[in-house]
Order: sequence, then structure tokens, then C-alpha cells
Amino acid sequence: KNQVEQSPQSLIILEGKNCTLQCNYTVSPFSNLRWYKQDTGRGPVSLTIMTFSENTKSNGRYTATLDADTKQSSLHITASQLSDSASYICVVSSGTYKYIFGTGTRLKVLA
Amino acid sequence: EPEVTQTPSHQVTQMGQEVILRCVPISNHLYFYWYRQILGQKVEFLVSFYNNEISEKSEIFDDQFSVERPDGSNFTLKIRSTKLEDSAMYFCASSESETSGYNEQFFGPGTRLTVL
Repeated sequence: KNQVEQSPQSLIILEGKNCTLQCNYTVSPFSNLRWYKQDTGRGPVSLTIMTFSENTKSNGRYTATLDADTKQSSLHITASQLSDSASYICVVSSGTYKYIFGTGTRLKVLA
Repeated sequence: EPEVTQTPSHQVTQMGQEVILRCVPISNHLYFYWYRQILGQKVEFLVSFYNNEISEKSEIFDDQFSVERPDGSNFTLKIRSTKLEDSAMYFCASSESETSGYNEQFFGPGTRLTVL
């Protein structure tokens, strides 16, 4: 069954600290993996998109990694800011149009 | 910066009524999508639309749902006879292309549908 699992479910960190969010998937065939940031009550905003051949991709303070062999991805946030408080969603695309969303990690950054 | 817009932001309806949710995708985008997110749950893919026809749909997108691009700018989702379990946030998204897996999708702010 195509599934995307994320951990932890929630995370609280202090401003300025780093954190890493995990995503494991069992989606086949694999097309690409995306990380989104979703603020409460808003639509998801794309952070990174990676295809099978890519191992790492950065977008400012966000760095995503992909291990297609173990079917794992991570999102590393460096020097967290209060505005990073949001849900972070891992989405795996299977074929051209199927998108399987993870349940997300809810991140809270405290001052 | 161009963005996807959705109206209304909140729709309240009685069970059994028809609702139409509206979206204006980014103007040069060719691929359109609807997703839903039940409160506290993950986002779920409903349907994708290209060249005036449905490209892909999930098992959620049954006969009660339909999509349409009635003119050059709007993209609508119709729910024919709403059920309580249709209460959710509905997101519209659009993308410029669907090549090489790099179709960055831009999401609208969502319409919160409440079915009473």
C-alpha cells in the first residue's frame, strides 16, 4: 500500500536551534518527493522537490535529503526562526499525477 | 507575485445541498488540482485536470464530485449533494507543466466547507 510516514508528529525547539524531520515512504512507482510548509489555515507552500537521482537539495535554511534505496527523506532546518512554526509535509508523487501526502510534523519554535 | 485564489473562504451549507467551490489558478498554468484536508488529518488528492479533462482522480472523487473550467480563468469543484463527511478544507492548486517531475504546484489559501 502506498504510504508516507513522518516523524516526529510534533516538535518544539528554541529559536536559533537546528532540527531534522523524517519521512519514510512505501510508494511505487516513485516519481518525486516534495517537502511543503503549511501554516495553520493556509495552503501548503513548496520548499523542495527532488527526483530519484537527487540526494540533497537546499532552499535557504531548509535542506532536504533523499535516499531512494532506503526510501527515506529528511528535512533539516538550520537556525530556526519563530516564523518556521508550521506543519511540514512530505509528499511523494507516484507516476504523473498521484500525490501521497504524509500526516506532517507540527513544528513549534519558541523564543 | 501571481497566486492562486479561492472563493469563498468559508462556505456553510445544509446536508444534501449542492456547493460550488471556485478557484482562479495562476494565469499561465495548464494543470489544475483539487485537494481536501479534513480537520486534523492529512491533505488528500482529489483530482487533476488538464486540457479540459480529468487526468487523474482518487477514490474519494466519486460521482458526487465534478470539476469544470467554465471559462479561461476559473476552475470549479462541485459537490452535488453534500454529506456531513464532506466538511473539510478544500485546496485548489495549479502548475505550469508536468514534465520531469518538477511541476511545482502552487496552492490557494483554501475554502473551508462546513456541512450541517
